[in-house]
Amino acid sequence: EAGVAQSPRYKIIEKRQSVAFWCNPISGHATLYWYQQILGQGPKLLIQFQNNGVVDDSQLPKDRFSAERLKGVDSTLKIQPAKLEDSAVYLCASSPPRDRGITQYFGPGTRLLVL
Amino acid sequence: GIQVEQSPPDLILQEGANSTLRCNFSDSVNNLQWFHQNPWGQLINLFYIPSGTKQNGRLSATTVATERYSLLYISSSQTTDSGVYFCAVSGYSTLTFGKGTMLLVSP
Repeated sequence: EAGVAQSPRYKIIEKRQSVAFWCNPISGHATLYWYQQILGQGPKLLIQFQNNGVVDDSQLPKDRFSAERLKGVDSTLKIQPAKLEDSAVYLCASSPPRDRGITQYFGPGTRLLVL
Repeated sequence: GIQVEQSPPDLILQEGANSTLRCNFSDSVNNLQWFHQNPWGQLINLFYIPSGTKQNGRLSATTVATERYSLLYISSSQTTDSGVYFCAVSGYSTLTFGKGTMLLVSP
């Protein structure tokens, strides 16, 4: 079974530029999560999707961050414009149906550096 | 929201030693999980343990929900155990992660 795929693995941009990350969850997983992990801290949930609907985006900085999961499968997270403090690892995870988020399978992450 | 504190922040062990990692949380939870993040950044779920005790090989975990803490035990540590161990909890919503315990096991 293929795991959660993310791309790119690394990205370096200058502040005020825009950037997009892509995630393809495990086949059949209805729930998809985007986390932000700043160096030295635990992951922080940015947004949770159930199929193509948003379940929780309370910690997403909506003035600059956006995410979509149009067909209920893969997802894109965008930052526009980026700030220095957005430098972090962006992790995508997915859970099987009816799992209540108990088992989250994480992708390898995208490491973003904003200069 | 729920606060999660993990201790110790860092731990260095010789291969073969045992260790105990602690997670304290500020409110009642219905979901508590332990994760391992390897040096390459990959996060793996170790245990789902909102209460009670579980064991998986050299790892075991105990959660005392009434006293709001959980312990992760690593026995006969190996170099491949190195990485960061996270505790994550939730009440009825999303997981909140602690800052983790960074473990280095030297040969």
